[in-house]
Amino acid sequence: EAQVTQNPRYLITVTGKKLTVTCSQNMNHEYMSWYRQDPGLGLRQIYYSMNVEVTDKGDVPEGYKVSRKEKRNFPLILESPSPNQTSLYFCASSSLRTESNQPQHFGDGTRLSIL
Amino acid sequence: GNSVTQMEGPVTLSEEAFLTINCTYTATGYPSLFWYVQYPGEGLQLLLKATKADDKGSNKGFEATYRKETTSFHLEKGSVQVSDSAVYFCALSVPGGSYIPTFGRGTSLIVHP
Repeated sequence: EAQVTQNPRYLITVTGKKLTVTCSQNMNHEYMSWYRQDPGLGLRQIYYSMNVEVTDKGDVPEGYKVSRKEKRNFPLILESPSPNQTSLYFCASSSLRTESNQPQHFGDGTRLSIL
Repeated sequence: GNSVTQMEGPVTLSEEAFLTINCTYTATGYPSLFWYVQYPGEGLQLLLKATKADDKGSNKGFEATYRKETTSFHLEKGSVQVSDSAVYFCALSVPGGSYIPTFGRGTSLIVHP
């Protein structure tokens, strides 16, 4: 089954304690992305990657890091989490084949609470 | 840059009512247009898409027509059900361009029995 898998689904942690949210896709997609979703603000893109070893900042990258060492994985790293990073996070992936106008496939989300 | 504007919610309807959620866009190039749906506790999933002017996307009774002249892609359904309660996102991407998808802020739909 084609899917994007995020872990963990829920996490409560404390300020300053480094954490990583993993994301893996099994569709051989070139493009992967992280979003955060906050009430009234919709989806905001944090980072994206067009392919292995290629990452770029989205609209709200401050306080986050990513890496793309393998095509299937795109972890989101919070080196020193703060309460304003409490949010619902989504990983997404898609193919970059322009002739097929591929939509994005989303994971089920990770709800992070930073105390 | 590209942008997507959706009507603000929540939209509250009774079961079997007609639904319209407005979406307008601005884009450089020739975008593909999408509607995604997010059910409670889940991620977004593609509902329908259209890739060129006058195309109509449809799925699960929902429809949207790509209107280039009005730069719109309004979502419609003739008779909503309680199970349609969700958040709906309009989005675009430009194939061959920067590709980065642009999302609207989402519109919450609440359907009462």
